[in-house]
Amino acid sequence: GAVVSQHPSWVICKSGTSVKIECRSLDFQATTMFWYRQFPKQSLMLMATSNEGSKATYEQGVEKDKFLINHASLTLSTLTVTSAHPEDSSFYICSARAGGGAKDTQYFGPGTRLTVL
Amino acid sequence: AQSVTQLDSHVSVSEGTPVLLRCNYSSSYSPSLFWYVQHPNKGLQLLLKYTSAATLVKGINGFEAEFKKSETSFHLTKPSAHMSDAAEYFCVVYGQNFVFGPGTRLSVLP
Repeated sequence: GAVVSQHPSWVICKSGTSVKIECRSLDFQATTMFWYRQFPKQSLMLMATSNEGSKATYEQGVEKDKFLINHASLTLSTLTVTSAHPEDSSFYICSARAGGGAKDTQYFGPGTRLTVL
Repeated sequence: AQSVTQLDSHVSVSEGTPVLLRCNYSSSYSPSLFWYVQHPNKGLQLLLKYTSAATLVKGINGFEAEFKKSETSFHLTKPSAHMSDAAEYFCVVYGQNFVFGPGTRLSVLP
């Protein structure tokens, strides 16, 4: 149980285009989802926290107008990278916390590698 | 505020020898501590979790970690390394959010 999927697993796009990444909790309801970013050979950095039905909370330094997060249902959150540029190339990982679950328990997705040409 | 230090960016061991990956943390709360493993181009897999029940925590694949409050440490060990253990390992502290350490790359030599 407690599986989180991400789609796509790998995406290549041209500079200036927008890319949407989906994060789904497959067998549980996720009231809170988290988006992380991982640059090559670096650690994960929390970008934003989203609660179902409300606006996402962004970490300091993360542009909310560039990284649009939508958490419209209890099993789906999306991250849209708008007007992507090569510096946005990174590994994006989501995680989900089950409704009523322990706050220190997050289930991680497999990640999405974004390459912007 | 929470922070995590992983003292070694790269550890190299021979197959069959012990593994020690070091982690020190700082937290204003009584923290939950985790070790995750990440294989190349893969997501994160939870190895083990400490939540104040027992100071010695056993995880999957023969890994274990010991919580030492006096040393603010949570080092990860394994008695005998396998080739398949080669990966990136992250120590994580949870107080209000998950805070990841910088990672330690483990290489296992044949």
